[in-house]
Amino acid sequence: DIQMTQSPSSLSASVGDRVTITCRASQNINSYLNWYQQKPGKAPKLLIYAASSLQSGVPSRFSGSGSGTDFTLTVSSLQPEDSATYFCQQTYSGLYTFGQGTKMEIK
Amino acid sequence: QVLLVQSGVEVKKPGASVKVSCKASGYTFTNYAIGWVRQAPGQGLEWMGWISTYTANTDYAQKFQGRVTMTADTSTTTAYMELRSLTSDDTAVYFCAREEKLGLVVFDYWGQGTLVTVSS
Repeated sequence: DIQMTQSPSSLSASVGDRVTITCRASQNINSYLNWYQQKPGKAPKLLIYAASSLQSGVPSRFSGSGSGTDFTLTVSSLQPEDSATYFCQQTYSGLYTFGQGTKMEIK
Repeated sequence: QVLLVQSGVEVKKPGASVKVSCKASGYTFTNYAIGWVRQAPGQGLEWMGWISTYTANTDYAQKFQGRVTMTADTSTTTAYMELRSLTSDDTAVYFCAREEKLGLVVFDYWGQGTLVTVSS
């Protein structure tokens, strides 16, 4: 199975900050990497697919990059509504594993 | 608009089975597979498997093979996930999600989740 490791597991930042989350795959997954945002008590929401493509309706302050084994999700200017947990997911192999999540809090 | 509406809260005893439904609307049901993901309390997301709503083919995570069955009823545009031999470790919120192919598989629409509690 492909393991997905996110870092950090949690972070706290201020409104307007630039924030980056990383996700590392245990083997090459090309660009088969998605990012989701989940707020408490809600279903996940697709933000980024294919490592760097912004899902329709998602604010442009979210961006993704990377390929192979190392990926990043960046929020260019943090907003209060971005407080959530973020998950990466690989869909390279048939077992669509998720990272363990990064909890993002606003100071 | 695309909607996935899941069945309500379930409370089960150890050893029992649970069957969660996922009613789809707002799109052609057989054009998209349905995946199932669960989330234990305070934990991350765990992919369980998927079903092709067109062919009824399934693929299950090895962890659940032999214990899970995913089905789809095209006449009612409803997908189902049945999990058997429940233990307390199966206490979780279970989500269904539509699988879209955007060059790769993505889960673009999700159900609201169904809480399954396993307790004696």
